[in-house]
Amino acid sequence: SQQGEEDPQALSIQEGENATMNCSYKTSINNLQWYRQNSGRGLVHLILIRSNEREKHSGRLRVTLDTSKKSSSLLITASRAADTASYFCATAPRMAGNNRKLIWGLGTSLAVNP
Amino acid sequence: KAGVTQTPRYLIKTRGQQVTLSCSPISGHRSVSWYQQTPGQGLQFLFEYFSETQRNKGNFPGRFSGRQFSNSRSEMNVSTLELGDSALYLCASATSGGPTDTQYFGPGTRLTVL
Repeated sequence: SQQGEEDPQALSIQEGENATMNCSYKTSINNLQWYRQNSGRGLVHLILIRSNEREKHSGRLRVTLDTSKKSSSLLITASRAADTASYFCATAPRMAGNNRKLIWGLGTSLAVNP
Repeated sequence: KAGVTQTPRYLIKTRGQQVTLSCSPISGHRSVSWYQQTPGQGLQFLFEYFSETQRNKGNFPGRFSGRQFSNSRSEMNVSTLELGDSALYLCASATSGGPTDTQYFGPGTRLTVL
């Protein structure tokens, strides 16, 4: 079963605008990661935020994590056409025993129009 | 460093056949994970191998199997193919596969079952 649920499922914006997508999850986690996937290709790691962190930045990306609400958001500022892709969150659940299995959401499809 | 490579990139099979997909991880990476991606189910974890041992397994039937060789290259096999096995199969490698490890994905193998 999916741990993460991204919201919205699809987002269409104009170049230069900001894009915000959200991820909710169900169980306690060690960390949450965001990945990007360009059409039908492999995923590329964007950023990892640990459970004891609240905000993290990387270039035009800003990720927040609210463990009390079990949710995270990814903000892309000043979007570009090249940001058009699907964005996935993946959580590393905190559980006894094996915790190496990432659990993925269904993704947000972002279209940035020139 | 060369990235993760997957072969073949595209495959067309018929129901009942079997298929073997190959993944070469980034040099030095010992963890290899396999995922199935479909539009409706998103990214589903199949299994993870580390040092030639299966360390994690997802909820897939026994028709899906894998192995890892001493050079960390991995193969996955699907026997008795069903129409529902049509998907993009992604392989990801990581240094050790721990919960904070970044996973590096290959471009995927697009399997179509007719």
